[in-house]
Amino acid sequence: EDKVVQSPLSLVVHEGDTVTLNCSYEVTNFRSLLWYKQEKKAPTFLFMLTSSGIEKKSGRLSSILDKKELSSILNITATQTGDSAIYLCAVRNTGTASKLTFGTGTRLQVTL
Amino acid sequence: KAGVTQTPRYLIKTRGQQVTLSCSPISGHRSVSWYQQTPGQGLQFLFEYFSETQRNKGNFPGRFSGRQFSNSRSEMNVSTLELGDSALYLCASSLNTGTDTQYFGPGTRLTVL
Repeated sequence: EDKVVQSPLSLVVHEGDTVTLNCSYEVTNFRSLLWYKQEKKAPTFLFMLTSSGIEKKSGRLSSILDKKELSSILNITATQTGDSAIYLCAVRNTGTASKLTFGTGTRLQVTL
Repeated sequence: KAGVTQTPRYLIKTRGQQVTLSCSPISGHRSVSWYQQTPGQGLQFLFEYFSETQRNKGNFPGRFSGRQFSNSRSEMNVSTLELGDSALYLCASSLNTGTDTQYFGPGTRLTVL
């Protein structure tokens, strides 16, 4: 069964700090890894990483996929209180039974 | 472009009852997936519908069922509710089945008493 593990489970940092969130996975026939941010209800899409696109960046957020180590990191620099959320990592497999398997998430709290 | 909409947003039921949740995908999206989110288990995949057909199913009992209509709107039904069914139920839409990026709705918060 496909499995995604995120660490740490929760994190409290001060505004301006840099944080690194981790995601490791075990999946049969890996296709892609996705990061989502969940603040109130609906997770919002951040990045998708594949074998042909192992590094993505958007503003203060960036993510790298390490296919050899079966893992990914999400970096947030110069954190702001608006970055407080649950960050979800998910992996998709290939094939007709393709689906997203999610980790339990990392809860990030940014304080003043 | 309107996002994914889910109704109702909140629901309170008692054990043994049944419930139907609705999801309208983004216009033009043909695939709808459903997830259950609980604090301990995180987001767990329930099923995916595409072109009115169930394409994939997670490890949930048969009390959980769904369907999709010709306009891509989807409904999810849970029969004989149990206390453990209390959760946030999220639906996500994507252009086609197997499309990597899914866009989530705000969810339906179900409380079973």
